[in-house]
Amino acid sequence: NAGVTQTPKFQVLKTGQSMTLQCAQDMNHEYMSWYRQDPGMGLRLIHYSVGAGITDQGEVPNGYNVSRSTTEDFPLRLLSAAPSQTSVYFCASSYSTISGARSFGKLFFGSGTQLSVL
Amino acid sequence: GEDVEQSLFLSVREGDSSVINCTYTDSSSTYLYWYKQEPGAGLQLLTYIFSNMDMKQDQRLTVLLNKKDKHLSLRIADTQTGDSAIYFCAETLNTGKLIFGQGTTLQVKP
Repeated sequence: NAGVTQTPKFQVLKTGQSMTLQCAQDMNHEYMSWYRQDPGMGLRLIHYSVGAGITDQGEVPNGYNVSRSTTEDFPLRLLSAAPSQTSVYFCASSYSTISGARSFGKLFFGSGTQLSVL
Repeated sequence: GEDVEQSLFLSVREGDSSVINCTYTDSSSTYLYWYKQEPGAGLQLLTYIFSNMDMKQDQRLTVLLNKKDKHLSLRIADTQTGDSAIYFCAETLNTGKLIFGQGTTLQVKP
């Protein structure tokens, strides 16, 4: 019962460095997404995917890239880290890709990655 | 625009009822959700309500929906210290996104 697995749990980067946050799910979910959580701002959607080979932008996509080569994996890439990207990042998946379906909003979350950019 | 608003903090005494409020903007949202986040963890789905319902009860949780005012609330009866957490409401948009509010931190005092 792994669910959604995120790695690493903690990461410190220097400004300008690049890195990839990993996310994998074993529930055969079509929908996967990345959120960032900042104090007082709740969760903001970065990118999402409705299936392998299909990705789209969320509310705050700048500075981040994603790809979806398999159903299971949805990595998030920081191209050139900036202090404004210091945040807690969550990957989440859902069975349904249809926004009007009950199961669409039933997201399963990973435990998060705490990222600090100095 | 796409916006979900919540108050940031609520403090109650153990045994009292807690009411967490949320306003949303997309009147076409089909389902609305409540999530709970405990310290150091990801979010977990607590409950949800279909947009054609006014109320849903699930043990100590009661969800009320006022579609006219686009207002959603979560009532927790007999609040316990284990209920201390951040609570998020969320709505689905026709654009295929799930949008969260800022989260309400619930503090339960013994």
